[in-house]
Amino acid sequence: ETGVTQSPTHLIKTRGQQVTLRCSSQSGHNTVSWYQQALGQGPQFIFQYYREEENGRGNFPPRFSGLQFPNYSSELNVNALELDDSALYLCASSLAGGPGETQYFGPGTRLLVL
Amino acid sequence: AQRVTQPEKLLSVFKGAPVELKCNYSYSGSPELFWYVQYSRQRLQLLLRHISRESIKGFTADLNKGETSFHLKKPFAQEEDSAMYYCALIGGGSYIPTFGRGTSLIVHP
Repeated sequence: ETGVTQSPTHLIKTRGQQVTLRCSSQSGHNTVSWYQQALGQGPQFIFQYYREEENGRGNFPPRFSGLQFPNYSSELNVNALELDDSALYLCASSLAGGPGETQYFGPGTRLLVL
Repeated sequence: AQRVTQPEKLLSVFKGAPVELKCNYSYSGSPELFWYVQYSRQRLQLLLRHISRESIKGFTADLNKGETSFHLKKPFAQEEDSAMYYCALIGGGSYIPTFGRGTSLIVHP
């Protein structure tokens, strides 16, 4: 059974640029959630995708967008990067989209915006 | 709005001492509560959830609706318990979890 993988591991961008982060869900999982974790804070929910449809969204502006593919892998896109977007971005997959489903986290992508 | 507060940023104890990591929440309905743990150089993972009422690695947590708390307890801490612990809440019918800022537990030999 393959765990959740994320790419890249680290990324440096400048303000105003766009970034795409990728996540491969654990085998058999059809739901992917994305989180932003700023330094010294807990993960903050961005959105969740269930069977290629957005299934819930946190308090993030529209420049944070996502996609889920037929193989249930997912992308997080952030446009017009701001300095405050510097954070660890976590992806988590689960068997289904229910709120009580156990989430399995990836190692994260660390984004630095200069 | 739902909120999770972990008042201690750092908790330092000696091996064999009891441990209590505090979690208080704010939510008007019936929440689902979780504890997640992240060991050094490992991924964030679920430790336990209140609906399971189970003990994992000697840890237990009881939901106290009167005090709106979900404190994590272990009677005798071990060095391998050193990690970052996050309390999380999901409001009834929602898919949106809210995490606390985390408590770093250090267990000294």
